[in-house]
Amino acid sequence: QKEVEQNSGPLSVPEGAIASLNCTYSDRGSQSFFWYRQYSGKSPELIMFIYSNGDKEDGRFTAQLNKASQYVSLLIRDSQPSDSATYLCAVWTGGFKTIFGAGTRLFVKA
Amino acid sequence: DAMVIQNPRYQVTQFGKPVTLSCSQTLNHNVMYWYQQKSSQAPKLLFHYYDKDFNNEADTPDNFQSRRPNTSFCFLDIRSPGLGDTAMYLCATSPDTGGLDEQYFGPGTRLTVT
Repeated sequence: QKEVEQNSGPLSVPEGAIASLNCTYSDRGSQSFFWYRQYSGKSPELIMFIYSNGDKEDGRFTAQLNKASQYVSLLIRDSQPSDSATYLCAVWTGGFKTIFGAGTRLFVKA
Repeated sequence: DAMVIQNPRYQVTQFGKPVTLSCSQTLNHNVMYWYQQKSSQAPKLLFHYYDKDFNNEADTPDNFQSRRPNTSFCFLDIRSPGLGDTAMYLCATSPDTGGLDEQYFGPGTRLTVT
């Protein structure tokens, strides 16, 4: 069964620090990888997506992909209290199927 | 603004009483998805429509059905809700397969079965 694994947290970081969120996936054929942010009681919203090995930067966010290790991560620089949320890793496994992880809860302390 | 709308936002129903959740989109996307998300769990895909073609996930209970009368609207019908169906139900859309496109989520319907 195809799986996406994340540490549930909570991950607690001080304001201004770097938050590092990690995700592993089981399907070696996966091609597209997404990070969604979900505030409590709200729906997921896309933060970043990445298709190729290496790093992809967008503002304070950097996604890192290592297909050989089946590992994808999200770095949040200069973390703000407003970044406190659950971060969902999602992996497209083909066709219409995207598998989500259960998410990592991030808490940024002011 | 183009968007995905879900109604109602909150629904309480009794055990065994049928309930219908609705989703509409102004994005004109081909694909519409229904996810179930229980507390602290991953969103779980129930089914999707690509245009009028319906695809049910293998582990979606028979109790859950869907209708898509036109491009803009999609409904989730739960014929005989059980207590275990208490969850957030998320509707999402994408232009195509979702593999190369992000999914746009509606605000969700929080369903409570009593």
